[in-house]
Amino acid sequence: QVQLQESGPGLVKPSQTLSLTCTVSGGSVGSDNYYWSWIRQHPGKGLEWIGYIYDSGNTYYNPSLRSRLSMSVGPSKRQFSLNLNSVTAADTATYYCARGVAVAGSIYFDYWGQGTLVTVSS
Amino acid sequence: QSVLTQPPSVSAAPGQKVTISCSGSSSNVRNNYVSWYQQLPGTAPKLLIYENNKRPSGIPDRFSGSKSGTSATLGISGLQTGDEADYYCGTWDNSLSADVFGGGTKLTVL
Repeated sequence: QVQLQESGPGLVKPSQTLSLTCTVSGGSVGSDNYYWSWIRQHPGKGLEWIGYIYDSGNTYYNPSLRSRLSMSVGPSKRQFSLNLNSVTAADTATYYCARGVAVAGSIYFDYWGQGTLVTVSS
Repeated sequence: QSVLTQPPSVSAAPGQKVTISCSGSSSNVRNNYVSWYQQLPGTAPKLLIYENNKRPSGIPDRFSGSKSGTSATLGISGLQTGDEADYYCGTWDNSLSADVFGGGTKLTVL
């Protein structure tokens, strides 16, 4: 059974970098055609795909966030991380990590972390 | 404004059936698989349907998915109060080069 758990600061100041880590148990990041993903949900709103990392380091980002984003895989292959720089209040959201499964050009998300609320405020 | 359009809310009585639509375009729904997610209050989304109409292990057959053209539909039969949740559709958008989700539909079981 795969489990994912997000961790990181719950409060980030404007213009700083939001950094989160997702710890994976029951699986290994970068293997078996999975796309290790970040998805966020603004308060009271819908889901927004942020990006994913696959094949131990290849990344694909949402074009709307690409200029501020970076993702990486930890050395143990049990963690992957999200860095979003130059944050504003508009980046306040619950951030989820999830495992994506690719099928014929589409990806669905079969395992999700519980989510972590990040507030951007001074 | 979401790329995929869902009704904001639907409601039905316990035991009845409800459908939730997800309307897209040729750049997303028509040419890609659609998935559906259930988000119970205060929890993370959970995969309900993938590849338009397949159910993961453990999802009861009360939940069904279908797709026709640029629209997809989630069906829930034998409604239970525990089905009250927000439901999201998702797929890849070829024009945006991004995974996209619908705005979500809140299901109320009266």
